[in-house]
Amino acid sequence: GAVVSQHPSRVICKSGTSVKIECRSLDFQATTMFWYRQFPKKSLMLMATSNEGSKATYEQGVEKDKFLINHASLTLSTLTVTSAHPEDSSFYICSKVAGGSYNEQFFGPGTRLTVL
Amino acid sequence: QKEVEQDPGPLSVPEGAIVSLNCTYSNSAFQYFMWYRQYSRKGPELLMYTYSSGNKEDGRFTAQVDKSSKYISLFIRDSQPSDSATYLCAMSRNSGNTPLVFGKGTRLSVIA
Repeated sequence: GAVVSQHPSRVICKSGTSVKIECRSLDFQATTMFWYRQFPKKSLMLMATSNEGSKATYEQGVEKDKFLINHASLTLSTLTVTSAHPEDSSFYICSKVAGGSYNEQFFGPGTRLTVL
Repeated sequence: QKEVEQDPGPLSVPEGAIVSLNCTYSNSAFQYFMWYRQYSRKGPELLMYTYSSGNKEDGRFTAQVDKSSKYISLFIRDSQPSDSATYLCAMSRNSGNTPLVFGKGTRLSVIA
């Protein structure tokens, strides 16, 4: 399957700081990537669709000014959680689509964010 | 009613048992169906991918889709302790760059 990496795998930060999470496609280019959030014992919830060279599309209820997404290259999308608060503590996972006529999504290993 | 319903379990079975996991959905526009396995604190791993109704088999895993009933299943034969994980169903309306809608996931424990 396709290879997606995320960095960092885990981050602990103080309330009010900003945290950047990187999502890289290691095997082929990805014009579109997706960012999900997963709370403990809950399912993955789509936050936004990241599009290379254009603005991200955010899901209803997700603050675009708080969760900044940048997709500056065909292999890298970043999610920055600005002014993080304890309620932002979650597991953030990115994914990309296999391409062609298929839409199998391949996920990164996830980033666990803990805001103190 | 949520778009995708999945019993969160937990489900505990003895090693060697046949496991049946399933999801129901409400949106008849879904055409692409997937099952993911997620180990604790890891990203989901794609197990099975099917389009429209029918069965698909891959080793010990069989995926079934019944669009008329809006019901999908994943069967695991000869279950192993290493199968212990959370299994998430996911689906989408279109192919290509389309986000997925996930079930809550079912936590499975296979006891040796």
